[in-house]
Amino acid sequence: RKEVEQDPGPFNVPEGATVAFNCTYSNSASQSFFWYRQDCRKEPKLLMSVYSSGNEDGRFTAQLNRASQYISLLIRDSKLSDSATYLCAVNPSNNPYGNKLVFGAGTILRVKS
Amino acid sequence: EAGVTQFPSHSVIEKGQTVTLRCDPISGHDNLYWYRRVMGKEIKFLLHFVKESKQDESGMPNNRFLAERTGGTYSTLKVQPAELEDSGVYFCASSGRPGTGSEKLFFGSGTQLSVL
Repeated sequence: RKEVEQDPGPFNVPEGATVAFNCTYSNSASQSFFWYRQDCRKEPKLLMSVYSSGNEDGRFTAQLNRASQYISLLIRDSKLSDSATYLCAVNPSNNPYGNKLVFGAGTILRVKS
Repeated sequence: EAGVTQFPSHSVIEKGQTVTLRCDPISGHDNLYWYRRVMGKEIKFLLHFVKESKQDESGMPNNRFLAERTGGTYSTLKVQPAELEDSGVYFCASSGRPGTGSEKLFFGSGTQLSVL
């Protein structure tokens, strides 16, 4: 079983739709969680961190469910510019020196007009 | 503020040759990471420097890969000799110390390595 798993998609949605992705992780000791966005042939860019209490940034909401070991990303009012690959990343340990991240393979989102 | 920069952006070499990739982290970031994405697979961790020391090199595939970070500034990743399966995108990332507010990872734009 992979440490971090995501549905690869693609998710094809119309503009204005709400779409949600889940990501499951296998290591129950994992400490921190992130969503990254990666455009074609570009580097991953941090979209948001995921906190236990859930967090929201504009149209994006991230949530963590430790009991079921998954994180989610909800995108409301999808825009064409949201089309990208969304990567889930997990820090599997409480490393005092930094964030060694384990990535999922990514979920492809295509927003169409 | 300059981000993480990587050089070259692309490299095409023949099997058996040597290639050296360079990464300049964000100024002041102690942590420097190398990751790799092979076609169709997820991004995988290679190693982690804290300043000039290797904190974790558990992801390095084999002894054909050598990473250095002399002086704790920029880092190089050398592949010698390169094999076909080394092809992929090599990303460098950097972050500040945990608890400083700058512990999030920022990635460079990557080096696309093609071994023919």
